[in-house]
Amino acid sequence: KAGVTQTPRYLIKTRGQQVTLSCSPISGHRSVSWYQQTPGQGLQFLFEYFSETQRNKGNFPGRFSGRQFSNSRSEMNVSTLELGDSALYLCASSLSQEYNEQFFGPGTRLTVL
Amino acid sequence: GEDVEQSLFLSVREGDSSVINCTYTDSSSTYLYWYKQEPGAGLQLLTYIFSNMDMKQDQRLTVLLNKKDKHLSLRIADTQTGDSAIYFCAESKSGNTGKLIFGQGTTLQVKP
Repeated sequence: KAGVTQTPRYLIKTRGQQVTLSCSPISGHRSVSWYQQTPGQGLQFLFEYFSETQRNKGNFPGRFSGRQFSNSRSEMNVSTLELGDSALYLCASSLSQEYNEQFFGPGTRLTVL
Repeated sequence: GEDVEQSLFLSVREGDSSVINCTYTDSSSTYLYWYKQEPGAGLQLLTYIFSNMDMKQDQRLTVLLNKKDKHLSLRIADTQTGDSAIYFCAESKSGNTGKLIFGQGTTLQVKP
């Protein structure tokens, strides 16, 4: 069974640009969560989607947004990139809202110059 | 509030036991997890414990939970060089398991 896949794996952007990251969950999983990992702030929750609806949102500015499609694939978008957005963005999937095991993808490394 | 804390670094010799500690503040946490992250990789779920349990054992891994003190530990028996990684403690709540609150991670260094 294939794991969580994230594309692209690496991305370099400049300040002011926008970026879209993609996450394909494990087959059959309907919940997708996104996290930002930085050396300074550690792992921080961005948002969670279930059945195409945002169920939870972390404390990030409105420049960070996401969506989920009917096949459970999810995208997150960051607009007007700032240097501080440079991070590893991790996606995790689980079977449902109540199922407690989250499985993580390898992440997308975003560098903002 | 929500806060999870871990010590930052642990060094052990190969073959010894490793104990990684974690404290959390939210008494309504329902699930507590241990994840492992190797360089350049995502997070691997090692094990988790439900808050009404005291202990869980899974091969070389033993998780102990002291709910009164809000203290969680992960013991790795017969630590190997391949266990060198960053270990994260995390918590979530029932019905809200899509949101994990992580500690800052403990770097485990295993010396041969």
